[in-house]
Amino acid sequence: IQMTQSPSSLSASVGDRVTITCQASEDISNFLNWYQQKPGKAPKLLIHDASNLETGVPSRFSGGGSGTDFTFTISSLQPEDLATYYCQQYGNFPGGFTFGPGTKVDI
Amino acid sequence: QVQLVQSGAEVKKPGASVKVSCRASGYMFKNYGVTWVRQAPGQGLEWMGWISAHNGYTDYAQKVQGRVTMTTDTSTTTAFMELRSLRPDDTAVYFCARYRVSRSGSTSFDYWGQGTRVTVSS
Repeated sequence: IQMTQSPSSLSASVGDRVTITCQASEDISNFLNWYQQKPGKAPKLLIHDASNLETGVPSRFSGGGSGTDFTFTISSLQPEDLATYYCQQYGNFPGGFTFGPGTKVDI
Repeated sequence: QVQLVQSGAEVKKPGASVKVSCRASGYMFKNYGVTWVRQAPGQGLEWMGWISAHNGYTDYAQKVQGRVTMTTDTSTTTAFMELRSLRPDDTAVYFCARYRVSRSGSTSFDYWGQGTRVTVSS
C-alpha cells in the first residue's frame, strides 16, 4: 500500500488553521496514524485510528477520514508545532506499516 | 514512566554488521512488541519490522528481509536489531518504538527511543 501526502511543505502563521491530506493507494478503513517529528527528535504519536487523539495531545490537533482519504488538522497553529507530520497506515498486516512522505510545517 | 533507551552511534564499513539495542523500562515488557524504524539523512521514516516480546514473533519489511534479525531479552527488557551486509545506503538514524496493539486491533507506535545513528562508509 502506497501513501501520499499533500502538501509536502507549508508555511503558515501562528493562529492559522492548517490541514494536511493523506491518501492511501487502497482502502485501509481507519487503520491510519499520525506522527509529529520535531527537528532532531524522535517521532511522537498524535492520533491513532484516523481520529483518536492520543492521551495528552492538545485538542487543537484532529484527524478524520476513512477508506483512502484522510485529513489532519491543526485548528490554531502554535510556534511549537514546527515539525514534520507523517501519516502511517497499517492496513495490510502482516508486512506493512507504510509511512507517508511527510509534510513539513514552518511557522 | 515509559522509556526506551538506545545504544550509541556506530560507524561501520560496507559488508559489516551492526547490532543496536533498545532497553525498555516503565511498563510490562512482555505485553507489547518493539518495532524498528529508520530515517536516512534528510529523508522520511521507513518501517523495518517488529518483534513480539511475548512470543518472539517477527515481521520484517520486504526491503530488509534476509539481512535483519530482531530479538528480545526479556530478562533485561531489551530489544535488539541486527542488520548485516551493510551498504552505504543503510546510513540512517535507527529508532526503536513500543508496538502497541489494543483489544480492537488498533496498532500504533506510542513511545520511541532517542535514535541511534549508524554510518556506513569505507
